[in-house]
Amino acid sequence: SQKIEQNSEALNIQEGKTATLTCNYTNYSPAYLQWYRQDPGRGPVFLLLIRENEKEKRKERLKVTFDTTLKQSLFHITASQPADSATYLCALYSFRDDKIIFGKGTRLHILP
Amino acid sequence: NAGVTQTPKFRVLKTGQSMTLLCAQDMNHEYMYWYRQDPGMGLRLIHYSVGEGTTAKGEVPDGYNVSRLKKQNFLLGLESAAPSQTSVYFCASSYSLTGQGTEAFFGQGTRLTVV
Repeated sequence: SQKIEQNSEALNIQEGKTATLTCNYTNYSPAYLQWYRQDPGRGPVFLLLIRENEKEKRKERLKVTFDTTLKQSLFHITASQPADSATYLCALYSFRDDKIIFGKGTRLHILP
Repeated sequence: NAGVTQTPKFRVLKTGQSMTLLCAQDMNHEYMYWYRQDPGMGLRLIHYSVGEGTTAKGEVPDGYNVSRLKKQNFLLGLESAAPSQTSVYFCASSYSLTGQGTEAFFGQGTRLTVV
């Protein structure tokens, strides 16, 4: 069956360190993968998109990698700050399914 | 710049009642989506639309109906609400699913409780 897996447990990272979140998928051939941030009581907000032919994307302190062999995307926040605390969702699109499907999200806590 | 607006923000229904959730976007997006979000389940796609007058089923369509009579509006209907439909509902829109403009813009959510 098709699955998108993100760490279900919360991730606690010390301020200033790099936070790394993982998104694994099975039985998908994604054309692209997106990362969103969601704060409590709010809708998700788009952060980054990476396509199947791209290895890495950067935006300010954010970096996303995409390994189609491992079927995995890594999301990095460098020089993390308490304001980065939120739930981070990955989502993927495949031509076969023709829709965007979300993972369950990973809650990130940046400790001051 | 409103983006995606959902109404209402909160609602309590009795089992068997019906209601309609309204989503409006002002970005001229072709694609619109309804998701539900439950603890431990993440965002699950209920129905979506690829343009005015079109609708399609997502992952969890049972018990819901949708309509897209105007490009800017996407309505989600519950004909006979059940406690299992207690959830937070999010509407989203995007310019496309492929090419440029695939990022989804979300509304602020509707918290629905069915008692």
